[in-house]
Amino acid sequence: EAAVTQSPRNKVAVTGGKVTLSCNQTNNHNNMYWYRQDTGHGLRLIHYSYGAGSTEKGDIPDGYKASRPSQENFSLILELATPSQTSVYFCASGDRQLNTEVFFGKGTRLTVV
Amino acid sequence: AQSVTQPDARVTVSEGASLQLRCKYSYFGTPYLFWYVQYPRQGLQLLLKYYPGDPVVQGVNGFEAEFSKSNSSFHLRKASVHWSDWAVYFCAVSPAGGYKVVFGSGTRLLVSP
Repeated sequence: EAAVTQSPRNKVAVTGGKVTLSCNQTNNHNNMYWYRQDTGHGLRLIHYSYGAGSTEKGDIPDGYKASRPSQENFSLILELATPSQTSVYFCASGDRQLNTEVFFGKGTRLTVV
Repeated sequence: AQSVTQPDARVTVSEGASLQLRCKYSYFGTPYLFWYVQYPRQGLQLLLKYYPGDPVVQGVNGFEAEFSKSNSSFHLRKASVHWSDWAVYFCAVSPAGGYKVVFGSGTRLLVSP
């Protein structure tokens, strides 16, 4: 079964601090994604990647960086966290060749105080 | 650019009644379309997917959706709603062979007894 694991599941960070959200997938998928979910906005794409070493900007990349050091791992980095980045973050993976659906992790709830 | 509109932020249905959740997409060409469901504090799970072919697609738990190119729509239906269907439903679009999956803002389904 397709598996996407996010860590941590919950995080409280201080304004101005650095935050790293991690994602691991065991699906051997090419594509990986980071979304944030906010009430009234649904899911918005922050960054995505189509393979190890690649990262692409999504629709709302400002304030975020991404890193894809391997096929399995995709991280989202907030260098200087702000309260506006308080949200639930979802990682997902998908197989570009088959153009099938994406598989989601269970989410990380980030609170920036 | 592709986009998805879910015009109803919230829908309330009596248990046992039929359901339709609306989705309109904007995409030049024939897209791949998806419906996902999100239960409380969970990631998104796939309900059903449309690839070019039969316009009516069947999903899990009695859900189905109908693709209409003329109306640019992909509405979700269920004949008889169960209390366990209480969740948020997302429509999504992806171009064939593309990387980017775009989600609508979601429709929260409430089931009344």
